[in-house]
Formats: sequence, structure tokens, C-alpha cells
Amino acid sequence: GNSVTQMEGPVTLSEEAFLTINCTYTATGYPSLFWYVQYPGEGLQLLLKATKADDKGSNKGFEATYRKETTSFHLEKGSVQVSDSAVYFCALSSGPGGGADGLTFGKGTHLIIQP
Amino acid sequence: NAGVTQTPKFRVLKTGQSMTLLCAQDMNHEYMYWYRQDPGMGLRLIHYSVGEGTTAKGEVPDGYNVSRLKKQNFLLGLESAAPSQTSVYFCASRSVWNSPLHFGNGTRLTVT
Repeated sequence: GNSVTQMEGPVTLSEEAFLTINCTYTATGYPSLFWYVQYPGEGLQLLLKATKADDKGSNKGFEATYRKETTSFHLEKGSVQVSDSAVYFCALSSGPGGGADGLTFGKGTHLIIQP
Repeated sequence: NAGVTQTPKFRVLKTGQSMTLLCAQDMNHEYMYWYRQDPGMGLRLIHYSVGEGTTAKGEVPDGYNVSRLKKQNFLLGLESAAPSQTSVYFCASRSVWNSPLHFGNGTRLTVT
């Protein structure tokens, strides 16, 4: 079956540091890949996505590249801010039902940015 | 610009009680989902629906029932609540099978 593995953290960084959150996946076919962000007390929000190999998704300074050869979709940001503190989820869409059965999520990475 | 709305936001139940969680979306989405979020477990799919009048089981369906009588609403029912159902429940929807999910803000349920 499909699965997503990501570092769980917490990951603690200083403001303006470089961020990498690793995500690797196992899936059949050609999944679409997503990063979601969850702020305290809120639901998940789409951060970025990529739908085919070598695509780069980007939003709010975050980037991730769909690497089929390494089955990875690592999240990066060049200079993090305190406001980036949140839980980040990597996810894929390609279930047995052709993706109709939602997304498969990683367990989430708690990111803490210190001033 | 409501998106996905979940009610209630918080609820405390005693073991054996029943309740229904309501999810409403105003984006005319076909697909709707119920997930539960537990510490260290990420999000796990309970049930989902691919259109009005349809429902299907997800990864952890036991102890829950769902209904999708209207396209915009997806109800999650607990007939006899158990402490293991203490969790945060999220509803989500999307327009087509491979598009991003839109989430509600969650319902925090405690079963004592």
C-alpha cells in the first residue's frame, strides 16, 4: 500500500536559518504529492503541490521538488521566520480507488522557530 | 468565504453516549472525507464519500457511521462512544479525485 515517511521532530531552528524537512514515499503508479501546514487550533492548509516527476511546487518561500528516482519530496525554505512555527504534513494522492479515497499523510513534523 | 465548516468545535461525551458531527461545504465539491488526528499517528481516514448518496470505509471505520444525504453535508455519527474515540476530527472536501483537500478547523472530542 501507499505510505509516507517524514521526520517527526520537533525540529527547532533559529530565525533566518535554512529549513529542510525530509519526506519519502511508497506508492504505485504516479502519485501527486502535497505539503500541508497546520497552525495551532486550526485545520490543515495546502502549502504546495506537485503532480509529476521533476515538478517544483512553491509558495510563501517554501519549495519542494518531486523526485521520482529517489521517491522524495523534501520541503525547503531559505530563511525561516517565527511565524513559520507549525506542524507540516507530507501527503500523496494515489489510492487503490485511483485517489478517490483521499490522501495518505505522513505523521507530521513539528517545527519550532526561535527568535 | 466559509469553505468547510464543522460543528461543534468541542464536545465532551460519557462512554456509551451518541453524537453526530456535522460537516458542511459551500464549494460544490463532490468528494468529502472524515479524518481523525491523534498524537504520533498523523491523520487517518475514517470514511469518505465520492458524491451525494454514497459512502465508503476508510482506514479506521469501526465505531463510526456516516451519511451524505445532501451534496454539501457529510455527517459522522458515533453510536456508542468509547474513550478510544477521544481525538480531533477533521472534515475535508475536494472537487475532483486528484485535487488538493480543503479542511475544516476540526472538532475536539473527549470521551470520559
